Amino acid sequence: GEQVEQRPPHLSVREGDSAVIICTYTDPNSYYFFWYKQEPGAGLQLLMKVFSSTEINEGQGFTVLLNKKDKQLSLNLTAAHPGDSAVYFCAGRSAYKVIFGKGTHLHVLP
Amino acid sequence: EAAVTQSPRSKVAVTGGKVTLSCHQTNNHDYMYWYRQDTGHGLRLIHYSYVADSTEKGDIPDGYKASRPSQENFSLILELASLSQTAVYFCASSEGGYYAEQFFGPGTRLTVL
Repeated sequence: GEQVEQRPPHLSVREGDSAVIICTYTDPNSYYFFWYKQEPGAGLQLLMKVFSSTEINEGQGFTVLLNKKDKQLSLNLTAAHPGDSAVYFCAGRSAYKVIFGKGTHLHVLP
Repeated sequence: EAAVTQSPRSKVAVTGGKVTLSCHQTNNHDYMYWYRQDTGHGLRLIHYSYVADSTEKGDIPDGYKASRPSQENFSLILELASLSQTAVYFCASSEGGYYAEQFFGPGTRLTVL
């Protein structure tokens, strides 16, 4: 079936460094992509949603890049801070279904 | 105020017992979902619903039933709980359409002993 591969599963960076999470999807018909952040003991909260026609999307402190040729979606936290420590999930949507990656545990060291 | 709430937030159940997890949303969304989260597996879809009184199977429906008595409420039922159903369960809601993000509840941690 359709898959979303997410890497790395764990990532530790120092405060102020950048952190990059990459997702590779298999369904060429994926229309929308989502990045969610999950803090300990909480549900997932939307960081950004990306439409397939837009390659670069900027949020507050992060950039999302979509490479349709390679079917890759990346989240780049430009200057990580301890409050960014969480689990991040990418998700791709096609037809009725949303497929999630397995998540990346990001730890930002002070 | 939280738009998707779940109850209970945690539960310990015995093997073979019946467990009901409840979800309530105030988003006025048509779609509701139940996921389970396990370490190393991310989120996996159990059941979903796009209209009251109707439910659909997701990717891992075996051992679970769902009930959608109203637009606002969606329940997940484990008739005979098993050890392998120990997990964190998340409910979510969304509008219809490809653009629609899902809004998640805080999760229920279920431990089956």
